[in-house]
Amino acid sequence: RKEVEQDPGPFNVPEGATVAFNCTYSNSASQSFFWYRQDCRKEPKLLMSVYSSGNEDGRFTAQLNRASQYISLLIRDSKLSDSATYLCVVNRENYGQNFVFGPGTRLSVLP
Amino acid sequence: DAGVIQSPRHEVTEMGQEVTLRCKPISGHDYLFWYRQTMMRGLELLIYFNNNVPIDDSGMPEDRFSAKMPNASFSTLKIQPSEPRDSAVYFCASSFHNSQHLKAFFGQGTRLTVV
Repeated sequence: RKEVEQDPGPFNVPEGATVAFNCTYSNSASQSFFWYRQDCRKEPKLLMSVYSSGNEDGRFTAQLNRASQYISLLIRDSKLSDSATYLCVVNRENYGQNFVFGPGTRLSVLP
Repeated sequence: DAGVIQSPRHEVTEMGQEVTLRCKPISGHDYLFWYRQTMMRGLELLIYFNNNVPIDDSGMPEDRFSAKMPNASFSTLKIQPSEPRDSAVYFCASSFHNSQHLKAFFGQGTRLTVV
């Protein structure tokens, strides 16, 4: 089993739709969590950190459930520019720095 | 402020040749990571440094791969000899450990093709 798993998609949604991505991780020692986005043929870029209490940044909301080892990302009112691959990332800070990336979920927002 | 800078952006080389990839991390960052990305395996952590010291190289695939960080502003990843299966995009990332969590910032990557 992979340490970080995601639904590979693709998710094809119309503009304005709400879309949710799920991620599960297997290592309970994981300390910090992130969502990155990666555009085609570009480098991954930090979208947002994920905090235990959940956090929001504009149209984006991230949730963490440590008991279930589950992370989610919700995108509201999706835009064409949201089309990208979304990567779930976990880090085991107290056991060395080991940013483990999930395989990513591809999103296409359609006009 | 300049981000992580990698060179070259593209490299095409023949099997058996030595390849050297270069990375300049963001100034002040104390962690540096090398990743490899392929369609089949996604993003894999190869090695990371803290304060120029290699901490974990368990992701380095074979002895053909080596990485150095002679100072805080420069790192290299070398493949010798290169093989076609090494073809991938190699990313360098850097981060700074403060009271918040580490956040890794990536360079634009080096797209390596070994023919």
